[in-house]
Amino acid sequence: TQLLEQSPQFLSIQEGENLTVYCNSSSVFSSLQWYRQEPGEGPVLLVTVVTGGEVKKLKRLTFQFGDARKDSSLHITAAQTGDTGLYLCAARRGSQGNLIFGKGTKLSVKP
Amino acid sequence: DTEVTQTPKHLVMGMTNKKSLKCEQHMGHRAMYWYKQKAKKPPELMFVYSYEKLSINESVPSRFSPECPNSSLLNLHLHALQPEDSALYLCASSLRLAGAHEQYFGPGTRLTVT
Repeated sequence: TQLLEQSPQFLSIQEGENLTVYCNSSSVFSSLQWYRQEPGEGPVLLVTVVTGGEVKKLKRLTFQFGDARKDSSLHITAAQTGDTGLYLCAARRGSQGNLIFGKGTKLSVKP
Repeated sequence: DTEVTQTPKHLVMGMTNKKSLKCEQHMGHRAMYWYKQKAKKPPELMFVYSYEKLSINESVPSRFSPECPNSSLLNLHLHALQPEDSALYLCASSLRLAGAHEQYFGPGTRLTVT
């Protein structure tokens, strides 16, 4: 059973389009992080959300943490080819818990 | 500075070789991690060090041997590996193990076992 379910698994869009990626669970998390990873490289931290209902913006990226701290979404406005990569959500259940990763969403933005 | 460095970038080794992967951070982080990542899969936790002491070992085979010589360095010693151990090995660090502290990842070492 996958603790963190990410959807969609794959997404291929044209430059300029908007998209939303989801990270869902039945468990409550103390914090949730989003990473972007390019092939052969390590994941790069994009954002951490800790408060239920929290919304954070990073340029064209908007991150939301669900009110119940069980789910999160990442919305990208006017996607660019440089947004291509694997988007991973990761979360901790308690203060001492390990980081649990979703399977990732592989995004391809075509020019 | 949120940089974690890893060497080497690529490593090819035979099943009888002994090699080591190195990881370094100078952010004052006291928790350091080794992950293994296979193609098209998320990272899988292998080991966690907290204040230079091994805190978590996720039932990793003994052919992988971690070492934390000081608060800035983390090594992974490899011996008698199998071809299925070929993967991207990622090091990460965080301020502390407890609490909602972000983990910062290094670029990884691409390991191929022949």
